[in-house]
Amino acid sequence: AQTVTQSQPEMSVQEAETVTLSCTYDTSENNYYLFWYKQPPSRQMILVIRQEAYKQQNATENRFSVNFQKAAKSFSLKISDSQLGDTAMYFCAFMKPLYTGANSKLTFGKGITLSVRP
Amino acid sequence: AAGVIQSPRHLIKEKRETATLKCYPIPRHDTVYWYQQGPGQDPQFLISFYEKMQSDKGSIPDRFSAQQFSDYHSELNMSSLELGDSALYFCASSPDSLETQYFGPGTRLLVL
Repeated sequence: AQTVTQSQPEMSVQEAETVTLSCTYDTSENNYYLFWYKQPPSRQMILVIRQEAYKQQNATENRFSVNFQKAAKSFSLKISDSQLGDTAMYFCAFMKPLYTGANSKLTFGKGITLSVRP
Repeated sequence: AAGVIQSPRHLIKEKRETATLKCYPIPRHDTVYWYQQGPGQDPQFLISFYEKMQSDKGSIPDRFSAQQFSDYHSELNMSSLELGDSALYFCASSPDSLETQYFGPGTRLLVL
């Protein structure tokens, strides 16, 4: 079974600064997907970024980028130029590819609460 | 762009009552997932459907059942509701080719 660990329960960052959220996971699979989802106070689950394990290049989406270290099973999210609207709970999640059959569900970490200070 | 639609958005029920949650996936998405998120917790996978067939099952109580219909919408039926069923229930959909799940706004269920 896969496990996802987010050891930091909460973090705070000044507006316009950079912050990195940590995530580690455990799996025996070689191919899989990793995601970061954002859950603001509205509790909507919003996809932030996705990484395919077979890709060595780290994914980027505007101000969001990841540092994917496959051997270390580490998947951190970097938010640059933090904005007040980035205040939210952030979940790291793991998923096996659909071609493996069942178990295509998302396995989430416990989440980290990020507060952006004005 | 069209998003996942869930109804109702809020639901209040008494213990031992039944509830039906509906999910309308993004057009051309053939896979639907249901998750339950308790207060202060991460989402937990309940069940999924691919092309109207159950594809995976998680920690879903026997009191719950679900199905996906011919138009790809899905319904989660919950019977003999308990206080512990109070949670936010998400539906997510994905196209087979992308393997990325897009979440609906959730249904907030409160059992009194």
